[in-house]
Amino acid sequence: AQSVAQPEDQVNVAEGNPLTVKCTYSVSGNPYLFWYVQYPNRGLQFLLKYITGDNLVKGSYGFEAEFNKSQTSFHLKKPSALVSDSALYFCAVRDRSSGGGNKLTFGTGTQLKVEL
Amino acid sequence: DVKVTQSSRYLVKRTGEKVFLECVQDMDHENMFWYRQDPGLGLRLIYFSYDVKMKEKGDIPEGYSVSREKKERFSLILESASTNQTSMYLCASSTPGLGFLEQYFGPGTRLTVT
Repeated sequence: AQSVAQPEDQVNVAEGNPLTVKCTYSVSGNPYLFWYVQYPNRGLQFLLKYITGDNLVKGSYGFEAEFNKSQTSFHLKKPSALVSDSALYFCAVRDRSSGGGNKLTFGTGTQLKVEL
Repeated sequence: DVKVTQSSRYLVKRTGEKVFLECVQDMDHENMFWYRQDPGLGLRLIYFSYDVKMKEKGDIPEGYSVSREKKERFSLILESASTNQTSMYLCASSTPGLGFLEQYFGPGTRLTVT
């Protein structure tokens, strides 16, 4: 079975400050990990993913995420937050050893609020 | 750009009605998915399809069925709508592969069952 946890329902940060949105996962094998963002009244947009290799993954809009196998985490980060980053962020996981179909398991989401 | 469209942004139906939610993608993707999104619960997979006329149950299939007669179209059917099916419904598509390919989402349909 595969699962993902986002321990924070909401994260508040001032514009210009670094931000971190936390994600931990559980899989029986090795994971593929994803971050998606949902702006108000929009569908989910892909931000970045970890497949293999370098533990630091860079994605859209200046976001990056660090894969930490020992801590089973995949935290989303950005060095300097913008008000326009305010949105709902979802972490997702797929166990590489699971069957076909590209089935993802999503976390419950973290609302990021960036204030002036 | 990949485009996934859903037939309605907002829908209001009465309890007991049969409801059809339509999803169309224009990128010739084999895989298509239906999720529901609820506050505090995230996205939960209802059904997915990896080919025409093929379907598999997701995590919460009860009360739903699906139809995929053409590759580009994936329909979600609520046979007899109930108030606990009030939710945001998201459709997604992707190409098959080794599981590391991202899914592309439609804008969502917010369904209210009264």
